[in-house]
Amino acid sequence: GAVVSQHPSRVICKSGTSVKIECRSLDFQATTMFWYRQFPKQSLMLMATSNEGSKATYEQGVEKDKFLINHASLTLSTLTVTSAHPEDSSFYICSASGDQYTNYGYTFGSGTRLTVV
Amino acid sequence: AQSVSQHNHHVILSEAASLELGCNYSYGGTVNLFWYVQYPGQHLQLLLKYFSGDPLVKGIKGFEAEFIKSKFSFNLRKPSVQWSDTAEYFCAVRGSGTYKYIFGTGTRLKVLA
Repeated sequence: GAVVSQHPSRVICKSGTSVKIECRSLDFQATTMFWYRQFPKQSLMLMATSNEGSKATYEQGVEKDKFLINHASLTLSTLTVTSAHPEDSSFYICSASGDQYTNYGYTFGSGTRLTVV
Repeated sequence: AQSVSQHNHHVILSEAASLELGCNYSYGGTVNLFWYVQYPGQHLQLLLKYFSGDPLVKGIKGFEAEFIKSKFSFNLRKPSVQWSDTAEYFCAVRGSGTYKYIFGTGTRLKVLA
């Protein structure tokens, strides 16, 4: 149980274009979803937290207009990297929780490797 | 400042060797502690967690970790590693009652057959 599907796993896009990454909870309702970014040899950095039906909460230093997050349903959250640039190339990971204050670890997606050329 | 430090970035062991991966954290207040594993090409999976009680916690696949409050540490151990343990291991801290994880930089373990 508690599976999170993230799609696509890899994407290459041209500079200036936008890319959408999907995160789906397959067998549970995710009231809260989290988006992380991982740079090479660095830890996962939380970018934003999204609650179903409300605006995402972004961490300090994360550009809201560049990284658009939508959590329109209890099973789907999307991250859109707008006007992507090479410095946006990174590994993006989502995680989901059915309870914001769960006593369990969150379920993670398998990640999306974004390369902007 | 809140942080998690994993001192070993790369570890190479032979099968049957014992493993200990270090994790130290800095956080004001009560914490929940986690170890996650990421096998090649797969998503992060929870290995074990500590919330309260017995500071020695046992997880899946023979892993265990010990919370030493005085040292702000939560080291991961396994008595005898297998080739299939080759993966990246992340230590994470979360303030008790909060939702935000703070991850360490990860330790890449390679087990030689």
